[in-house]
Amino acid sequence: EAQVTQNPRYLITVTGKKLTVTCSQNMNHEYMSWYRQDPGLGLRQIYYSMNVEVTDKGDVPEGYKVSRKEKRNFPLILESPSPNQTSLYFCASSLGQSFTEAFFGQGTRLTVV
Amino acid sequence: AQSVTQLGSHVSVSEGALVLLRCNYSSSVPPYLFWYVQYPNQGLQLLLKYTSAATLVKGINGFEAEFKKSETSFHLTKPSAHMSDAAEYFCAVSYSGGGADGLTFGKGTHLIIQP
Repeated sequence: EAQVTQNPRYLITVTGKKLTVTCSQNMNHEYMSWYRQDPGLGLRQIYYSMNVEVTDKGDVPEGYKVSRKEKRNFPLILESPSPNQTSLYFCASSLGQSFTEAFFGQGTRLTVV
Repeated sequence: AQSVTQLGSHVSVSEGALVLLRCNYSSSVPPYLFWYVQYPNQGLQLLLKYTSAATLVKGINGFEAEFKKSETSFHLTKPSAHMSDAAEYFCAVSYSGGGADGLTFGKGTHLIIQP
């Protein structure tokens, strides 16, 4: 089954404790993207990747890092999480750069206290 | 740069009434347009999309949207609302001209269905 898998689904952590949210797709897609969703703000793009070792900043990259060492994986790294990074995070992948056939993960709800 | 504006953060309709959720886009090149729905505590589900074929697009659950280039709009409609339509709806845009923008989402419209 074609899917994007995010882990964990839920996470509560403390300020400053490094964490990684994993994202994996099984469709050999070149394009992957991370979004955060906040009430009243919709989904905003954090980072974007066009292929292995090629990434670019989205609209809200501050406080986040990503890596794309393999095509299937696109982890989101918070080196020093802060409470303003409490949010719902979605990973997406697509065969094409216009995301007309996008697949989304189920989301990761992160709380930073 | 591309952008999307959804008019109305909350829309309330009676069960059986017409649903109209408004979306206007800004794109310097021909856009692709999408409506996504998010039910409570769930992920995103694609309702429908416009990719430069027919301007009237039919989606799942009885929803449809019409691409109007002259008005830069892509409003979502459903003739008769059902209680199960209560959800958050997001309009999104990407474009066919290449580049790394991916999907740009609007801020969302929360649809409330009154019994």
